[in-house]
Amino acid sequence: GQQVMQIPQYQHVQEGEDFTTYCNSSTTLSNIQWYKQRPGGHPVFLIQLVKSGEVKKQKRLTFQFGEAKKNSSLHITATQTTDVGTYFCASGGSYIPTFGRGTSLIVHP
Amino acid sequence: ETGVTQTPRHLVMGMTNKKSLKCEQHLGHNAMYWYKQSAKKPLELMFVYSLEERVENNSVPSRFSPECPNSSHLFLHLHTLQPEDSALYLCASSPQTGELFFGEGSRLTVL
Repeated sequence: GQQVMQIPQYQHVQEGEDFTTYCNSSTTLSNIQWYKQRPGGHPVFLIQLVKSGEVKKQKRLTFQFGEAKKNSSLHITATQTTDVGTYFCASGGSYIPTFGRGTSLIVHP
Repeated sequence: ETGVTQTPRHLVMGMTNKKSLKCEQHLGHNAMYWYKQSAKKPLELMFVYSLEERVENNSVPSRFSPECPNSSHLFLHLHTLQPEDSALYLCASSPQTGELFFGEGSRLTVL
């Protein structure tokens, strides 16, 4: 699998603030996937990016894939308490995705 | 309802027991996975089956034994486990586009 590093490990925000998590690799990635895991839950697929420079939006979430396909970011605008959880990036070749360690988002009301 | 069903949801076993985890997917996917999630470690890929053939075995101890009888079912047989094997075991399936659909997991405690 393709190794990915994710930062930060934890992020505390006040409700209404923005949040960003970053995923980086030393090698060119074939794709990047993002997942969300709520506390006590299981990872849920959010999106997959495959093209260089690709940007996709889902409501308050914006996903980017870098031009060199070595990094990606997930940005949440105006966080809400429902955004609490751990966000994972993953990448890999056919059928073998490797996950980053995740960024745990804590939203204070 | 995720389309991927895991049983049991919780399992407590002694180190000398033999037990099995079961996973069933109703999504028509052709690949299935076992991942291990421990408290302070990232998601660890254990096994991958594509079209019922094992394509990845990530240096997993032999006390874990997978079985994939068909494209909809996946088992993880457990034998003489250690306390450090206590974790959340997640099953997932994927279509050819590669995104993973996880089950709710089986929480295993080894005494």
